[in-house]
Amino acid sequence: DIQMTQSPSSLSASVGDRVTITCRASQSISSFLNWYQQKPGKAPKLLIYAASTLQGGVPSRFSGSGSGTDFTLTISSLQPEDFATYYCQQSYGAPGTFGGGTKVEIK
Amino acid sequence: QVQLQESGPGLVKPSETLSLTCAVSGGSISGYYWSWIRQPPGKGLEWIGYIYYSGNTNYNPSLKSRVTISVDTSKNQFSLKLSSVTAADTAVYYCARAATSEYDYEYWGQGTLVIVSS
Repeated sequence: DIQMTQSPSSLSASVGDRVTITCRASQSISSFLNWYQQKPGKAPKLLIYAASTLQGGVPSRFSGSGSGTDFTLTISSLQPEDFATYYCQQSYGAPGTFGGGTKVEIK
Repeated sequence: QVQLQESGPGLVKPSETLSLTCAVSGGSISGYYWSWIRQPPGKGLEWIGYIYYSGNTNYNPSLKSRVTISVDTSKNQFSLKLSSVTAADTAVYYCARAATSEYDYEYWGQGTLVIVSS
């Protein structure tokens, strides 16, 4: 199985900060990488697919980059509604493994 | 707007079979990949498996011996069966629909908590 490792596992940030979350795959997955946002008690929400394509309706302050084994999710200016847990997921092949998550908390 | 709704028992006894159904409304089940994903309380997401509307399936190897996913196109729903459950199978179970591939989940159910306990 392809292992997905996210870092950091948690971070504290203030409204307006630029936030970067990284995700590393245990083998090359080309650009087959998705990012999700999950708020407490809710289902995850797809933010970005194919490493850098913004899902419809997702604010442009979210962006994704990377290919091969190293990927990043960037929030250019953190908003109050962005405090949540973020997961990466590889879509290269079964099983569609998720990273362990990054919890973004209010500083 | 596509909506997914999980249903099934919230409490299952150890060694028994967990059975859940996902009803799809606002769109056809045809043409898409449909998945089950679970999340133990306070933990991360685990992909269980998917079924294509035609019936082709793919399961997580860690669960493959215990999982069956089926589809009923006439009822616009798909189902999950997980046999020989233990406390480790306690989780919120989500059904989801992929968008452009097998794994980019655009639509999700609200999730249903299944507790394995005697």
